[in-house]
Amino acid sequence: SQQGEEDPQALSIQEGENATMNCSYKTSINNLQWYRQNSGRGLVHLILIRSNEREKHSGRLRVTLDTSKKSSSLLITASRAADTASYFCATENSGNTPLVFGKGTRLSVIA
Amino acid sequence: GAGVSQTPSNKVTEKGKYVELRCDPISGHTALYWYRQSLGQGPEFLIYFQGTGAADDSGLPNDRFFAVRPEGSVSTLKIQRTERGDSAVYLCASSLQRIGYTFGSGTRLTVV
Repeated sequence: SQQGEEDPQALSIQEGENATMNCSYKTSINNLQWYRQNSGRGLVHLILIRSNEREKHSGRLRVTLDTSKKSSSLLITASRAADTASYFCATENSGNTPLVFGKGTRLSVIA
Repeated sequence: GAGVSQTPSNKVTEKGKYVELRCDPISGHTALYWYRQSLGQGPEFLIYFQGTGAADDSGLPNDRFFAVRPEGSVSTLKIQRTERGDSAVYLCASSLQRIGYTFGSGTRLTVV
């Protein structure tokens, strides 16, 4: 089963613009993580935000978490063509449960 | 090793055959996860090992799927009597203290 729902499903922007992807989930969580996937193969962990955190930064990435709305957003600033990939949110729910992934957002950054 | 290694990277098999997919996690990572990803979808959980034992196998779709991790390191996902619907990318991940998973590059299984 998949808990997270990313929005939009696909996003196309020009290089230099900011990209914002949203994720909604259904149950209470311990943390929420964002992953990147190139060409449908291995995923790369980008950032983790805990349920008691509201915002986190890592380089050009900014993640927010609103537990009252059960939603998160990933902002990539000053996008580059190399940022073209699929981005997935994944939740670690309360208790010792494995990550549950959403369906992802396909980002295309056009040079 | 430096990363999670999955072999083979691609596997084509005939319907009804048996296949084994191998995952070599990062040395020292006690948790190991198998996921399956179909085209255009997110990874779907199959099974999770903590050490040698399967801590959660609730994602295995049916009894044709089985996984082992006999020495708490390498894991093998076994699929019997493969069906065309089993075609997908099978992803393995490992983690230390379950903070951020490190994924392998996956095995693309095609059942013809």
